[in-house]
Amino acid sequence: QSVLTQPPSVSAAPGQKVTISCSGSSSNIGNHYVSWYQQLPGTAPKLLIYDNNQRPSGIPDRFSGSKSGTSATLGITGLQTGDEADYYCATWDSSLSAYVFGTGTKVTVL
Amino acid sequence: DVEVLESGGGMVQPGGSLRLSCTASGFIFSSYAMSWVRQAPGKGLEWVSGISGSGDGPYDADSVKGRFTISRDNSKNTLYLQMNSLRAEDTAVYYCAKDRGIASSPYYFDYWGQGTLVTVSS
Repeated sequence: QSVLTQPPSVSAAPGQKVTISCSGSSSNIGNHYVSWYQQLPGTAPKLLIYDNNQRPSGIPDRFSGSKSGTSATLGITGLQTGDEADYYCATWDSSLSAYVFGTGTKVTVL
Repeated sequence: DVEVLESGGGMVQPGGSLRLSCTASGFIFSSYAMSWVRQAPGKGLEWVSGISGSGDGPYDADSVKGRFTISRDNSKNTLYLQMNSLRAEDTAVYYCAKDRGIASSPYYFDYWGQGTLVTVSS
């Protein structure tokens, strides 16, 4: 049971937009940078967003991140079938002295 | 190109031990912290342990504290995870992950290995 809560699944048609929420507390999201990871089926996780809203080189601008208070959000626009994956938020938790991942969200393209 | 490659996984009986290794290339190994992250079958990601670039002050998840030990040999560009007193619930794919920062408390992971499977079963 993670301290970062995400919806189990979200879905939308190709070309549409989805948002994934990540809810935490002041000991994690509220005071630390959030990162997001994409895990395609059968593969290792891949960094998607760091420092709340920064994209590593090679990540298309269809992916965006934001943070407000103790919650963070990942947005995916222009949804493609290749975006079907599990998505995880993550950050440091200073109360637990541990790096914590969200519960994970499965994105399905209808 | 940055590359991290895990090895050492396998099947072990409950109570047994195993040592995982992660060999890194393509970056100055000692300048970056490293972590182990695991994923049980059909479950989410769980951070296990992190260590600074110099090997100081490692952090461990409560679930493995006192049983697992993370270490590194910067002369060999290699990260290790010594796992003792293994339990069935330790069964998972274990990923080696390069941190963007140097401190032992993880910042974010910009490169991941492909993972090595550890199965704890009698």
